[in-house]
Amino acid sequence: NAGVTQTPKFRVLKTGQSMTLLCAQDMNHEYMYWYRQDPGMGLRLIHYSVGEGTTAKGEVPDGYNVSRLKKQNFLLGLESAAPSQTSVYFCASSYEAAYEQYFGPGTRLTVT
Amino acid sequence: GIQVEQSPPDLILQEGANSTLRCNFSDSVNNLQWFHQNPWGQLINLFYIPSGTKQNGRLSATTVATERYSLLYISSSQTTDSGVYFCAVVAAGNKLTFGGGTRVLVKP
Repeated sequence: NAGVTQTPKFRVLKTGQSMTLLCAQDMNHEYMYWYRQDPGMGLRLIHYSVGEGTTAKGEVPDGYNVSRLKKQNFLLGLESAAPSQTSVYFCASSYEAAYEQYFGPGTRLTVT
Repeated sequence: GIQVEQSPPDLILQEGANSTLRCNFSDSVNNLQWFHQNPWGQLINLFYIPSGTKQNGRLSATTVATERYSLLYISSSQTTDSGVYFCAVVAAGNKLTFGGGTRVLVKP
């Protein structure tokens, strides 16, 4: 059981470039989430999904898009990266909203 | 939305000391979790504890849902306990809301 995995672990982008972050889970969880963590702060929810084919906005969704084409995968896209998107991105999954969330190792993204 | 406040913001301990971290929240919750973020940035699940008391080795946690707070106890602290401890809750809806964290440094 790998749990929750994230690809890539590190990435440096130039302003205006695009990229996709991949999250995969092997626990058959319905719910998946993308968070960002800025220095010295807790995590904030970007987008989430309550099942295959569904997505919903979280607290800080602007500048990001997501897709959940397969139950085990949740993709986070940046269409035109900005320096304000420099952050550490965490993916998580859970069986249901009120159940325990399990987090991936994070992706450190720097936008110059 | 729900507010989550953690105290103290910073804690310096001598190895072997005991400590208590507190998490206050402003509304009823369906989920409460404690995490340890280690110096490498990894988030480690410590407890899933929407109510009651749990223990895992030197760590234990208590949530009093009716009074809207949770406590994390660290006993006989070790240098590997250093890092940031986060409390996070789910109220109505699907969002896990994080507190600001308690930064713990355990000195040898």
